[in-house]
Amino acid sequence: EPEVTQTPSHQVTQMGQEVILRCVPISNHLYFYWYRQILGQKVEFLVSFYNNEISEKSEIFDDQFSVERPDGSNFTLKIRSTKLEDSAMYFCASSETGIPASYGYTFGSGTRLTVV
Amino acid sequence: KQEVTQIPAALSVPEGENLVLNCSFTDSAIYNLQWFRQDPGKGLTSLLLIQSSQREQTSGRLNASLDKSSGRSTLYIAASQPGDSATYLCAVPNSSNTGKLIFGQGTTLQVKP
Repeated sequence: EPEVTQTPSHQVTQMGQEVILRCVPISNHLYFYWYRQILGQKVEFLVSFYNNEISEKSEIFDDQFSVERPDGSNFTLKIRSTKLEDSAMYFCASSETGIPASYGYTFGSGTRLTVV
Repeated sequence: KQEVTQIPAALSVPEGENLVLNCSFTDSAIYNLQWFRQDPGKGLTSLLLIQSSQREQTSGRLNASLDKSSGRSTLYIAASQPGDSATYLCAVPNSSNTGKLIFGQGTTLQVKP
């Protein structure tokens, strides 16, 4: 079964450093998303991306965050100048169809980001 | 604003028991509802997707029902096994149907051998 692949699985970074989280969505999917889950809290939406532009972003997704689809397969989340409160599990997801996804969403296994 | 609540927060049952997990949502105008499983420190695995026009979906020992009018979904697990131990999450698209999923806080299930 097709998978969404995320790398790395775990990243430790120092406060103030930039990190890039990488995702390879399912090949025929056109809609891409980032979510995050702070330990013990709900999974929360960060951003959706379609046709090389952001469709929607949450209040969390401020100027320190950016997303990019640098080539035909990768989808990245960049966090500039990381803060301690950015420590969380970050999930990438993709969907085949539009808004909302008729066939549901496929999530990756996540990147655990620890900011020290 | 769509809000999703799951009850109970945690559940512990002996192996072999049938059980029901509950999910409620405040805005009944949903397009679909998806149930996920999350193992500790791991990603989200999709279990079942119910479209708004459907009443239930089944996959193996899992059965999910949807009652849009009352804003509720249940996930029924038959003959539970220790391998079913995980956190179960339900999620619905937000009220404006822009593709954003709203998640419940999950029910953490422990099945004891």
